[in-house]
Amino acid sequence: DAGVIQSPRHEVTEMGQEVTLRCKPISGHDYLFWYRQTMMRGLELLIYFNNNVPIDDSGMPEDRFSAKMPNASFSTLKIQPSEPRDSAVYFCASSFRTERYGYTFGSGTRLTVV
Amino acid sequence: RKEVEQDPGPFNVPEGATVAFNCTYSNSASQSFFWYRQDCRKEPKLLMSVYSSGNEDGRFTAQLNRASQYISLLIRDSKLSDSATYLCVVNLGGSNYKLTFGKGTLLTVNP
Repeated sequence: DAGVIQSPRHEVTEMGQEVTLRCKPISGHDYLFWYRQTMMRGLELLIYFNNNVPIDDSGMPEDRFSAKMPNASFSTLKIQPSEPRDSAVYFCASSFRTERYGYTFGSGTRLTVV
Repeated sequence: RKEVEQDPGPFNVPEGATVAFNCTYSNSASQSFFWYRQDCRKEPKLLMSVYSSGNEDGRFTAQLNRASQYISLLIRDSKLSDSATYLCVVNLGGSNYKLTFGKGTLLTVNP
């Protein structure tokens, strides 16, 4: 199994630009999570999906952030417009059925907004 | 009380030492508990689940105390390769499937 695949690995963009992060979960996993990690705040859950449906987006910081999951094998997290304080590592994770067995994370996207 | 709280460390120990990490969580209804490991500039990886009766995996032992809302991880005979950040992870209860991560404790094992 290829694991959770995220792209791009690194993204440097200018303030005000749109940024799109991509994730392919493990085949058969029905839960998908987007996390953001910073030194100050640690790992924060932004949003999660079950069977492609958004279940809880209470962690999305503001309207500039949006996430979609058009099918079981693909999800995007979009930031428009981006700001320097959005600089962080964004992780996608997936799991099967329940959280009881933990999540599998992708390698992350390191976003820098200048 | 913070949702999931850990001693931030850092812990610096010599090879062969025994080291213990502690974690407290806020919701007594929590059902699922884990320890994750995160190497520098890498993604978090599941180290082990934590069961009510306690569990062991080689040099690693995890304990859960529901009454005190407390989880621990013990590493015996530490190796250089154990150097990483150790994250305490809890499902804080309810009908959701969210896992909440502690900020982690940095461990450095020195030769």
